[in-house]
Amino acid sequence: DVKVTQSSRYLVKRTGEKVFLECVQDMDHENMFWYRQDPGLGLRLIYFSYDVKMKEKGDIPEGYSVSREKKERFSLILESASTNQTSMYLCASSFWRTPLHFGNGTRLTVT
Amino acid sequence: EDQVTQSPEALRLQEGESSSLNCSYTVSGLRGLFWYRQDPGKGPEFLFTLYSAGEEKEKERLKATLTKKESFLHITAPKPEDSATYLCAVQATSDYKLSFGAGTTVTVRA
Repeated sequence: DVKVTQSSRYLVKRTGEKVFLECVQDMDHENMFWYRQDPGLGLRLIYFSYDVKMKEKGDIPEGYSVSREKKERFSLILESASTNQTSMYLCASSFWRTPLHFGNGTRLTVT
Repeated sequence: EDQVTQSPEALRLQEGESSSLNCSYTVSGLRGLFWYRQDPGKGPEFLFTLYSAGEEKEKERLKATLTKKESFLHITAPKPEDSATYLCAVQATSDYKLSFGAGTTVTVRA
């Protein structure tokens, strides 16, 4: 079974802090994704990566950046956290165009 | 831009009361339509992929169908353990990513 592990289940950060969300997958998947999930809006794609050191903007990349130095690890960075980035963040991975496998999410609160 | 709309937003059912969830979509060339189940505090869990109009997939009390404009998830004789949020997503032929709808939250009362 594919395992996608997100390093934190809950995070509380202050406005202006730099925040790192980490995600690791154990199935050698090429593709990795970061989504955020908000009530009534569903899952929205922030960034994705289809190979090491490659990244593509999703639908809502503003205020975020990503890093993928190793195939199994994909990090989401909030350069200067703001209250409107309070959300559930979901990491996923996939092999080519197969279904995405998700982690259990990180609930981030920015105060 | 790909668009996915799910209805209703919420559905309350009595145990054994069958119903259907709707997912309508627009996409520039559909490669696949995906259904996921999400329990509170967890990530989405994959259920089905449908690739072409007329295709059907079944798993226990769930059955997914696909037309050229929409998909339905039928829940037959639901049980309380079927309570969850059901998410629909589409993948375009040119893409790796999925575009999701906002989901339907199903509550089944015993």
